[in-house]
Amino acid sequence: DGGITQSPKYLFRKEGQNVTLSCEQNLNHDAMYWYRQDPGQGLRLIYYSQIVNDFQKGDIAEGYSVSREKKESFPLTVTSAQKNPTAFYLCASTPGSNEKLFFGSGTQLSVL
Amino acid sequence: QKEVEQNSGPLSVPEGAIASLNCTYSDRGSQSFFWYRQYSGKSPELIMSIYSNGDKEDGRFTAQLNKASQYVSLLIRDSQPSDSATYLCAVNRGAQKLVFGQGTRLTINP
Repeated sequence: DGGITQSPKYLFRKEGQNVTLSCEQNLNHDAMYWYRQDPGQGLRLIYYSQIVNDFQKGDIAEGYSVSREKKESFPLTVTSAQKNPTAFYLCASTPGSNEKLFFGSGTQLSVL
Repeated sequence: QKEVEQNSGPLSVPEGAIASLNCTYSDRGSQSFFWYRQYSGKSPELIMSIYSNGDKEDGRFTAQLNKASQYVSLLIRDSQPSDSATYLCAVNRGAQKLVFGQGTRLTINP
């Protein structure tokens, strides 16, 4: 079945540690996105990528980094510079402009 | 002013009644508009998309768009307890970037 796979489902970060969230899609979509969702809030855009080897900062990119070496993969690293990382992280993809987003099942990140 | 604004609720509606969810946006150049439903702890799922002024109906759901007033709404007819969720309004501001509102929490009371 085609879709977006995020892993892990739950992740815990120690202070000063970098952690990486995985996002893989087999939908052959060019554009991929990372969103952050805090409790009771909407989604805020962290980074997005429209093609391989290219990505742009979203509204809240500080403390995060991404790579897009393959069309299928768009991992997100939460660095130690992100002082408040506890949130629900959603990866999404879309086939083109004005098209709906396809979402992964999300990763809940918490701080130990 | 936020780019996309929704009443955060909670909005409580009796079962069988019409639930009305509203959203305003600030960018007049926005071209496409979406309503997503999100259950607690789950990812959003698309309910409706609308691209031109007027109404668009799909089953019990109707999306309404008024670009002059920069307003988009979602009506849910014959509300069911399973409709209880958070509803997110999203607006495409170009370059394939969707901006989301903060969501409206809807509760349908049996």
